Amino acid sequence: GAGVSQSPRYKVAKRGQDVALRCDPISGHVSLFWYQQALGQGPEFLTYFQNEAQLDKSGLPSDRFFAERPEGSVSTLKIQRTQQEDSAVYLCASSSGGGTSTEETQYFGPGTRLLVL
Amino acid sequence: AQSVTQLDSQVPVFEEAPVELRCNYSSSVSVYLFWYVQYPNQGLQLLLKYLSGSTLVKGINGFEAEFNKSQTSFHLRKPSVHISDTAEYFCAVRGTGGFKTIFGAGTRLFVKA
Repeated sequence: GAGVSQSPRYKVAKRGQDVALRCDPISGHVSLFWYQQALGQGPEFLTYFQNEAQLDKSGLPSDRFFAERPEGSVSTLKIQRTQQEDSAVYLCASSSGGGTSTEETQYFGPGTRLLVL
Repeated sequence: AQSVTQLDSQVPVFEEAPVELRCNYSSSVSVYLFWYVQYPNQGLQLLLKYLSGSTLVKGINGFEAEFNKSQTSFHLRKPSVHISDTAEYFCAVRGTGGFKTIFGAGTRLFVKA
C-alpha cells in the first residue's frame, strides 16, 4: 500500500475487555515496530519484529500485552484484560531495512487511539 | 542506553519569525539523531536525520538541525515559520548498531498570525 495503515483508528473498551489492534506495514518492509504514546508524551518503544521474528519485546508493559506477526507482514498487538492505564495511542511503524541499517527510516501509521473506561 | 530531553514543552511564535526547538541527548555510544513532526490525528513524519558527516542537516519544509557532539545537542531551526508549521515536534535518538529509537516528550510549536 501507499503507507502504513492501522485499524481501528479509535477503540473504546471497558476495563477487563480484550482488544486487538492491527497494523498493515508498507509492502515488503522487513522491520515493524510498535510504540505506545501516552497523552502529552513521546512514543515509547514496545516491541520490534524483523520479518516474523520478534527480536525485542522489552518494552511491553506487562504480560497482558502480546504482539505477533506470523507471516512477516501484518501485525497484531493484543491487550488482555485492559486497564485504564492502557489508554494511549498505539503507533505502528515499518522500515525497509533489517533494523540497524543506516537507511533505517521508519514510516509511521496514524495510530489507534485506545480509551479504556 | 540513551535518553532525550526536549527543553521546551511549548513554543509560541509569530508567523514569519525564526524558531529554534531545543533537544539534548545522552548516550554512552555513538548515535543517530532524528526530528519528527506530528500533525493532529496523524502519524509521525520524518523531518530530517543525522547519521554521519556534515553536522548541519537539512530536511523537509525548510527545517534544518545542527548536531553538536560536545554539547550533545541537536537543535531544530527554521528561519521563517508558517501557520502550517503548527504541530508537535519530537526529537529522537538511536544508538548506531541498535534498532530501538528513544523519543523526547515533544515540543508543541504554535505559530500565530
